[in-house]
Amino acid sequence: EIVLTQSPGTLSLSPGERATLSCRASQSVSSNYLAWYQQKPGQAPRLLIYGASSRATGIPDRFSGSGSGTDFTLTISRLEPEDFAVYYCQQYGSSPLTFGGGTKVEIK
Amino acid sequence: EVQLLESGGGLVQPGGSLRLSCAASGFTFSTYAMSWVRQAPGEGLEWVSGISGGGGYTYYADSVKGRFTISRDNSKNTLYLQMNSLRAEDTAVYYCAKDPYGSGSYAGYFDLWGRGTLVTVSS
Repeated sequence: EIVLTQSPGTLSLSPGERATLSCRASQSVSSNYLAWYQQKPGQAPRLLIYGASSRATGIPDRFSGSGSGTDFTLTISRLEPEDFAVYYCQQYGSSPLTFGGGTKVEIK
Repeated sequence: EVQLLESGGGLVQPGGSLRLSCAASGFTFSTYAMSWVRQAPGEGLEWVSGISGGGGYTYYADSVKGRFTISRDNSKNTLYLQMNSLRAEDTAVYYCAKDPYGSGSYAGYFDLWGRGTLVTVSS
């Protein structure tokens, strides 16, 4: 099973700042099959990024994904008020599918 | 409108059973693989099970294998999760989630989620 470790656990930033979230895998993620989701309190997750770097439909271009192998990054170039949420990475390159523990982006 | 609506959650005693349903609308249900993902209170996401578009292939997390059964009725646009021998650690919000590709095979990531249904296992 691939274990995904997200860091930091919490990121305290102000609107307009840049957010950099890390997701590290315990072994290489096949074909860079890595997705990112955003979840707000009381809501279902929303797909942001798939294939490590492809934005899902309707996702603003301030969200970008990068990385390969075992190290992946989600970057939010300029935080908007609606971006404060919890972010999860997920690998789908091998079974079982696994999620990281999440990074909370909170308002400083 | 494309949407998923879960139902069937509730309070059940340890060792009991429950069947969750997920009604899909707004897309050709039979051509998409589907999954169940759960989230324990205050915790992260855990993939539970998946099924191909035609229903011929099913996938389970080790934590539920042998206790949970995923199925679908494409004539009713509905996904199911039969949960038996429930344990306290199965307490969670259960989300129904849609695969992104209409090929019927299982990609394993999710472009549409329902709002979830809460399952509480407690005596």
